[in-house]
Amino acid sequence: NAGVTQTPKFQVLKTGQSMTLQCAQDMNHNSMYWYRQDPGMGLRLIYYSASEGTTDKGEVPNGYNVSRLNKREFSLRLESAAPSQTSVYFCASIRGLEGNSPLHFGNGTRLTVT
Amino acid sequence: TQLLEQSPQFLSIQEGENLTVYCNSSSVFSSLQWYRQEPGEGPVLLVTVVTGGEVKKLKRLTFQFGDARKDSSLHITAAQPGDTGLYLCAGESRGGADGLTFGKGTHLIIQP
Repeated sequence: NAGVTQTPKFQVLKTGQSMTLQCAQDMNHNSMYWYRQDPGMGLRLIYYSASEGTTDKGEVPNGYNVSRLNKREFSLRLESAAPSQTSVYFCASIRGLEGNSPLHFGNGTRLTVT
Repeated sequence: TQLLEQSPQFLSIQEGENLTVYCNSSSVFSSLQWYRQEPGEGPVLLVTVVTGGEVKKLKRLTFQFGDARKDSSLHITAAQPGDTGLYLCAGESRGGADGLTFGKGTHLIIQP
């Protein structure tokens, strides 16, 4: 099993460009999450999908959109990239909402916006 | 808003030394998770503590949950270079990752 797979691993964008970060999990997990990780800021939740067909805003949703394509896939879209969106983005999944379930993370996408 | 304060933020020690990392909050959590993250990878769960006062051991790592379930500590005995990484604590207030509050992490470097 691959776990959580993110693509691409690295991306450089110019201000104003758009792109979609892809995430897929093969663990049959119900809930999926997008985080960004910045120095000194820790992990911050952008958007999440508690179950297939639902999405909700996290702590820092501005400038992003998401799509829960099916149970396996959850994508993050930047419509008009800004330098403030330079970060490392992590996708994660969790079995369910019953508590005490660990997050399974992908290996991240390192995004630079110039 | 629940906050988790981790200390120290950075720690560099020699191989063989002992160390303790702290995770403190004014809020009560139903459980607390500890993750380790290595460069270029995502965080990986080390342990979950659930009961106040609980102590869990993972080889040379000892995790403790405070009696009031507001704080936790991670103690490493005889640190090794393989322990190098970013250690994150995350407090759970309700099920699902939207109910998780992450600390900002402790960057640990173990020098040979």
